[in-house]
Amino acid sequence: AQSVSQHNHHVILSEAASLELGCNYSYGGTVNLFWYVQYPGQHLQLLLKYFSGDPLVKGIKGFEAEFIKSKFSFNLRKPSVQWSDTAEYFCAVTVYGNNRLAFGKGNQVVVIP
Amino acid sequence: DADVTQTPRNRITKTGKRIMLECSQTKGHDRMYWYRQDPGLGLRLIYYSFDVKDINKGEISDGYSVSRQAQAKFSLSLESAIPNQTALYFCATSDRTSGHYNEQFFGPGTRLTVL
Repeated sequence: AQSVSQHNHHVILSEAASLELGCNYSYGGTVNLFWYVQYPGQHLQLLLKYFSGDPLVKGIKGFEAEFIKSKFSFNLRKPSVQWSDTAEYFCAVTVYGNNRLAFGKGNQVVVIP
Repeated sequence: DADVTQTPRNRITKTGKRIMLECSQTKGHDRMYWYRQDPGLGLRLIYYSFDVKDINKGEISDGYSVSRQAQAKFSLSLESAIPNQTALYFCATSDRTSGHYNEQFFGPGTRLTVL
């Protein structure tokens, strides 16, 4: 079964600091990769996605992620966070032809003003 | 996403009661999903449906059942609720015409507490 690993479940940082969240998956087939964000009290929203092509993906709100196939990774980055980036971030993976998303356990990010 | 609605938004119930959570969507998607979210565990798939006549178990289906009444409606039932079913429940949809993209759109969630 495919699995998705997210480390450092709780991340606390100050405004303007850089953020990087790791995501590793275990499946070796062709994958589709997603990062979702869940702001406090809200539902999940898509932050960015990778299907094919340029492995560096730009998302909303200044986020980007890089797909490194050889490392089975899809790490999320933002150069300078804001207080409004306080949220939980989920990496999700699906294999081509399989319509089920596997989610990581999430990263709870708190940005201190 | 306002196109995916869930009712109720919050529910407190007692052990042994039957509970139904409802999900409706106006996105015209054929695929619908139920997840539960627990702190530190992420989202886990309970059931999913690719069309009205297709229902599939997810990774944690025990204690739950579903009904796909129409393309736009997908209900989750807890036949006899127990305290460890206390969680945040999300409905999601996706579109077959997206092919392998599998981007899912989530409802606002239902917070269920079983006492």
